[in-house]
Amino acid sequence: EIVLTQSPGTLSLSPGERATLSCRASQRVTSGYLVWYQQHPGQAPRLLIYAASTRATGVPDRFSGSGSGTDFTLTISRLEPEDFAVYYCQQFGSSPLFGQGTKLEIK
Amino acid sequence: QVQLQESGPGLVKPSETLSLTCTVSGGSVSSGSHFWSWIRQPPGKGLEWIGYIYYSGSTNYNPSLKSRVTISRDTSKNQFSLKLSSVTAADTAVYFCVRGWYGDYTYFFDFWGQGTLVTVSS
Repeated sequence: EIVLTQSPGTLSLSPGERATLSCRASQRVTSGYLVWYQQHPGQAPRLLIYAASTRATGVPDRFSGSGSGTDFTLTISRLEPEDFAVYYCQQFGSSPLFGQGTKLEIK
Repeated sequence: QVQLQESGPGLVKPSETLSLTCTVSGGSVSSGSHFWSWIRQPPGKGLEWIGYIYYSGSTNYNPSLKSRVTISRDTSKNQFSLKLSSVTAADTAVYFCVRGWYGDYTYFFDFWGQGTLVTVSS
């Protein structure tokens, strides 16, 4: 069974800074099956990136995804106040699985 | 715009069966390239996939929950449902109903319900 490990657990940054979030898989993941979501407190997750690097409809271009194999990255180029949230990576295999999340908090 | 709305009891007793229904608007549970899923999130914790039902009616469940889970659909009401048997306090969570999309070797969950908190307690 694939395990997804996200790092760091918490990332403290200021608005305007660049955020780099990591998702590492214990086995190779097909890029088409790697997805990123954003979740604000009390809300449902929101689809951000699918197929490792394709932005979902309406997602600002400051969000970008990259990676392949076992290492994937979500980058937010310049943080806006609304970007502070929890981010989850997820892989679709025989059993969809989420990483444990990275909390992006205001420094 | 696709919308999903969960409904069902917010409190379930230990050992009983949790039952939730998701009503879909703006889309059809019978449409191709879609699957309809349940995902849960214990308070303060991460997301756990429970299972899904394809537009065709076939199902796939999380192996860790498979013995207790049933997902079904009612195409006439455009709804799909979750039953989780023999619940314990560990099943206390916000339950989300979610639409999934697949095609071109790509999968993702694109539309989510607002979620409903189910507490297991006597």
